[in-house]
Amino acid sequence: QSALTQPRSVSGSPGQSVTISCTGTSSDVGGYNYVSWYQQHPGKAPKLMIYDVSKRPSGVPDRFSGSKSGNTASLTISGLQAEDEADYYCCSYAGSYTFRVFGTGTKVTVL
Amino acid sequence: QVQLQQWGAGLLKPSETLSLTCAVYGGSFSGYYWSWIRQPPGKGLEWIGEINHSGSTNYNPSLKSRVTISVDTSKNQFSLKLSSVTAADTAVYYCARAFPGPRRYYYMDVWGKGTTVTVSS
Repeated sequence: QSALTQPRSVSGSPGQSVTISCTGTSSDVGGYNYVSWYQQHPGKAPKLMIYDVSKRPSGVPDRFSGSKSGNTASLTISGLQAEDEADYYCCSYAGSYTFRVFGTGTKVTVL
Repeated sequence: QVQLQQWGAGLLKPSETLSLTCAVYGGSFSGYYWSWIRQPPGKGLEWIGEINHSGSTNYNPSLKSRVTISVDTSKNQFSLKLSSVTAADTAVYYCARAFPGPRRYYYMDVWGKGTTVTVSS
């Protein structure tokens, strides 16, 4: 089972919106609505930002939103802020054998 | 406020067994899955496996032959053992709690701070 494919980096100015894609197959992203997104600042543990494709845990700003179309899930950050600069990873259920697979990770830079 | 505290040996020689433990403080141990995830230096996250309070496990197939995850409910702790380590197992290892979403799939929402494990001769 290969890692889900994410762009290596995306960037935007403060206040702009950026979207990170997460491409898998019909055996993972496309087959189930069990996609989550994690934010990781340097030297820190990951933080859950989105689960069940589009749900936000308590405390996560509504600037963060998730969606899915076919085999590709997306995380959109609206109104980009300096503190959003971090690495972001998607994660999907991949069936009862592989179970969980992470994306390759995307570095978000705030210009 | 649940917290996870993890510990274990940070330096191993090739062929040795990695052993890490994660203790859960301030929350229930049942009703969740308890996970291990690792991150090699400068690389992405890799899910290793998970266990619930009853001992039911799920493992990454690529590591399954070398991994054992166990639970001690009397101490609210769970552990990871990875045998026959090589330099490729050098990574930061995280423990995490996975909570059930509305459709009963589990998501990792509380993480330990991570333990750096280096494999070197």
